[in-house]
Amino acid sequence: DQQVKQNSPSLSVQEGRISILNCDYTNSMFDYFLWYKKYPAEGPTFLISISSIKDKNEDGRFTVFLNKSAKHLSLHIVPSQPGDSAVYFCAASLPNTGNQFYFGTGTSLTVIP
Amino acid sequence: GAGVSQSPSNKVTEKGKDVELRCDPISGHTALYWYRQSLGQGLEFLIYFQGNSAPDKSGLPSDRFSAERTGGSVSTLTIQRTQQEDSAVYLCASRPGTDSYEQYFGPGTRLTVT
Repeated sequence: DQQVKQNSPSLSVQEGRISILNCDYTNSMFDYFLWYKKYPAEGPTFLISISSIKDKNEDGRFTVFLNKSAKHLSLHIVPSQPGDSAVYFCAASLPNTGNQFYFGTGTSLTVIP
Repeated sequence: GAGVSQSPSNKVTEKGKDVELRCDPISGHTALYWYRQSLGQGLEFLIYFQGNSAPDKSGLPSDRFSAERTGGSVSTLTIQRTQQEDSAVYLCASRPGTDSYEQYFGPGTRLTVT
């Protein structure tokens, strides 16, 4: 049962434009969400996170938006750069555990120079 | 400082053989995770360690899978009598403690069962 879903396996964006990566979840009890970035032959690296008590968190070119009523979060990258080309995973955690993280299947982003 | 390391980076084994995968977490990180990523799939949680104990083994797919962690540091994931469906990238991650949600991943071990 996939509790965190990324329905777009791939996305292509022109350099300088906005990239929007989407993530949906089914468990309303999730209280913390993270985005990871993965290059080929490397492990995922943490990018940005958001607590369920917020609806937006911004870090430089990266912004994560959380819509709890829709059980939806998105990652915005502005402006997109060729080095952003990677696979992006969203992940979610339940409260009072912090132990198990549920990952989506990933979205492969290609930024075209 | 050194990140999470995993060995071997690649492993090809024959069906039915046992394999052992190793993870060296970041020094001082108390929590350690094992995940599996099969082709076209997301990261599948396998097991979690806090210190040397594994309070959550719910993700291990079968009793052929086992893991241990010694000295609160190195962990090994053992797969007995490997099957072709075990072919995947096995990722290890460590985490400083329960105050931080961020996990630090190793590069993974690509296991191919022929």
